[in-house]
Amino acid sequence: AQKITQTQPGMFVQEKEAVTLDCTYDTSDQSYGLFWYKQPSSGEMIFLIYQGSYDEQNATEGRYSLNFQKARKSANLVISASQLGDSAMYFCAMRVNNAGNMLTFGGGTRLMVKP
Amino acid sequence: DADVTQTPRNRITKTGKRIMLECSQTKGHDRMYWYRQDPGLGLRLIYYSFDVKDINKGEISDGYSVSRQAQAKFSLSLESAIPNQTALYFCATSGQSGPNQPQHFGDGTRLSIL
Repeated sequence: AQKITQTQPGMFVQEKEAVTLDCTYDTSDQSYGLFWYKQPSSGEMIFLIYQGSYDEQNATEGRYSLNFQKARKSANLVISASQLGDSAMYFCAMRVNNAGNMLTFGGGTRLMVKP
Repeated sequence: DADVTQTPRNRITKTGKRIMLECSQTKGHDRMYWYRQDPGLGLRLIYYSFDVKDINKGEISDGYSVSRQAQAKFSLSLESAIPNQTALYFCATSGQSGPNQPQHFGDGTRLSIL
């Protein structure tokens, strides 16, 4: 069975600073994908970034990057130059390739950006 | 218009009532999913479908049923609602191929059962 753990229930960051949100995962499969989603207070789920288990380079999308450490089974999200609009819940999720594109989600981290 | 549309957006109802949540998509995706989110928790999979004739149970299917009427439509039913089914419900879709296919979510249905 797959499991995603996000150990930080809540975090504060100063506007314009960088912040790292932690995610560790557990799977016995060799082929999998890791996703990060943002959920603002309005409730929708917004896809941010993806990392494949065979990708040799860390994924980047604008101000988002993924610090992927396969041996440690971690896939931390780094947000650079935080903005007030980054305040939201952030979820890490994993898809195992032989499981039909289904996602297993972590419990989330609430990020609060301070002006 | 949104690619994945859920209706209604909010619903308050009473214990024992039958409720249907509807999801439609314009993305042309084959795969559709229903999730539930409880306060302070991540999403949990209720049911999923890879095609019109394909229905599969997820992690927490008890008390729910689904219908895939067409490629673009996937509805979730609570036959006899109970208060612990109060939650935020999400429909999602994904493409059939590609290792980096994210799931695309609707805006959610907030359901309260009194």
